[in-house]
Amino acid sequence: NAGVTQTPKFQVLKTGQSMTLQCAQDMNHEYMSWYRQDPGMGLRLIHYSVGAGITDQGEVPNGYNVSRSTTEDFPLRLLSAAPSQTSVYFCASRQGSYGYTFGSGTRLTVV
Amino acid sequence: TQLLEQSPQFLSIQEGENLTVYCNSSSVFSSLQWYRQEPGEGPVLLVTVVTGGEVKKLKRLTFQFGDARKDSSLHITAAQPGDTGLYLCAGARWTSYDKVIFGPGTSLSVIP
Repeated sequence: NAGVTQTPKFQVLKTGQSMTLQCAQDMNHEYMSWYRQDPGMGLRLIHYSVGAGITDQGEVPNGYNVSRSTTEDFPLRLLSAAPSQTSVYFCASRQGSYGYTFGSGTRLTVV
Repeated sequence: TQLLEQSPQFLSIQEGENLTVYCNSSSVFSSLQWYRQEPGEGPVLLVTVVTGGEVKKLKRLTFQFGDARKDSSLHITAAQPGDTGLYLCAGARWTSYDKVIFGPGTSLSVIP
């Protein structure tokens, strides 16, 4: 049982490039979310999904897109990378009011 | 302004001491969770509290949800070096159940 799998683990992008962070869960969880973690700011919610085909914005959605075509997958797309998007990105999934299971994170640097 | 505030921000104690960290908000939450995160890894869920006034124990850790559902505390008895990490509280407000937001965390260091 793999839980939540994120790829890649590390990525360096040039300003203006686009990329997709992958996230997959094998627990049949209905809720999935993307967070970014920056020093001193905890985890901030980017986008979340309450089920396949349903997504909504979190606290810091600008510059990011998501889609949820299946229950298992929830990719995060950076449209045009900026240095302000340098961060550690976590994908997480949960069922109902239970707590989240997190992936191991993607460390992104935009130069 | 953080919706969830945590205090203290940093805490360094000797092995064997007791400690309490706090999570506070002006909003009412339907549930609150506590996580521990170690460097280079994702947060790991410790507990979820859902009822006002609820107390849960996990070995040496005691979690309490405030009666008004606006605050929570985590008490650790006889801290050990293995307790070192970043402790995060998180919750979903009654008005936006689907959004789980996190506090900034308390960084705990337990010195042998």
